[in-house]
Amino acid sequence: GENVEQHPSTLSVQEGDSAVIKCTYSDSASNYFPWYKQELGKGPQLIIDIRSNVGEKKDQRIAVTLNKTAKHFSLHITETQPEDSAVYFCAARGFGNEKLTFGTGTRLTIIP
Amino acid sequence: GAVVSQHPSRVICKSGTSVKIECRSLDFQATTMFWYRQFPKQSLMLMATSNEGSKATYEQGVEKDKFLINHASLTLSTLTVTSAHPEDSSFYICSARIGIDTQYFGPGTRLTVL
Repeated sequence: GENVEQHPSTLSVQEGDSAVIKCTYSDSASNYFPWYKQELGKGPQLIIDIRSNVGEKKDQRIAVTLNKTAKHFSLHITETQPEDSAVYFCAARGFGNEKLTFGTGTRLTIIP
Repeated sequence: GAVVSQHPSRVICKSGTSVKIECRSLDFQATTMFWYRQFPKQSLMLMATSNEGSKATYEQGVEKDKFLINHASLTLSTLTVTSAHPEDSSFYICSARIGIDTQYFGPGTRLTVL
């Protein structure tokens, strides 16, 4: 089955700087890669996703890049703000599979 | 994005009782919903996949007789924790799928079993 690894587990960034979180996946047939933001005591919120026919996608301060050859994808947050502090999860969905496989999460702290 | 609600948000019950958690898709119809469990500072663990009008598919190690799932309509799935014990205390989260892959999550239900 699919295996998703996520790094780093914790990340502290000065407000205004950029943050990058990386994930690798094992199933070369995986074709959908969402990122979720989870605040304390709340459910995960979909912030951006990318499909395997696209190499990069951007939404304001958030971007995701996908390298299918290397089987890794990354979340980039620019001009970080205190409200970006949360736990971020990456996930991958294999072709023909209903389920998402999640990474272990990254706790992002923005230092004012 | 699409809105998914859960009720209740928090529940405290005595050991041996059953608890029902509802998951609703508010502005879309969801043929498929998922139930997850999350322990503190850990990732999401898929418990089961719920398809409208059919039996749920449980992940390995999840007791189907203990975690009863019903998906009777395109906007509602329920999870019933039967004969709950303290080890069932956890954060339960549902998600609903739009299209072939996009999942939107509910706000979660914090279950505490005394």
